[in-house]
Amino acid sequence: GDSVTQMEGPVTLSEEAFLTINCTYTATGYPSLFWYVQYPGEGLQLLLKATKADDKGSNKGFEATYRKETTSFHLEKGSVQVSDSAVYFCALRMVDYKLSFGAGTTVTVRA
Amino acid sequence: SAVISQKPSRDICQRGTSLTIQCQVDSQVTMMFWYRQQPGQSLTLIATANQGSEATYESGFVIDKFPISRPNLTFSTLTVSNMSPEDSSIYLCSVDDSHYGYTFGSGTRLTVV
Repeated sequence: GDSVTQMEGPVTLSEEAFLTINCTYTATGYPSLFWYVQYPGEGLQLLLKATKADDKGSNKGFEATYRKETTSFHLEKGSVQVSDSAVYFCALRMVDYKLSFGAGTTVTVRA
Repeated sequence: SAVISQKPSRDICQRGTSLTIQCQVDSQVTMMFWYRQQPGQSLTLIATANQGSEATYESGFVIDKFPISRPNLTFSTLTVSNMSPEDSSIYLCSVDDSHYGYTFGSGTRLTVV
């Protein structure tokens, strides 16, 4: 079935470092892809999304490009801040409109 | 995007009891979803709740344990029945918010003692 595989964490970075979290997908057809963020003690927030190949989603300095040829949707940020410390989930919308989530990657940014 | 009000935000319950979680959406939506997030884990879909029909449960989840109601297009409840410590998790509702994506409630953090 449709699924995503996400880079395992945890990831620890210094402020202003470059962040990449890898996400690859397996799906029939061309699913919509999402990145969600969960800050400590909070629910999930949509960070960005892409609905078709070559789309680039962006928000709060984060970017991810829907790559059909590599079936990937890697999340990147050029200069992280302490406030970016959170758990990041890659997700895929399946044909029946359900979301399939990756395992989540815990990111800790140190000052 | 839709706004979801979920309550309670947290609860501590005795084993063997039941807890009902409510989600209220500020707009009409066709599909609502209920997820469980066990400690340190990702989200697992429990069921899809559609108005006017029985909820559709995922493998490993049954109606007797997680009964769901969906009386109209803006409201749903999930009950966790006959609780045990293994049910301690965060439970989240979600809606398919058309062009925006999927919106989630703030979650219910359940501890069973």
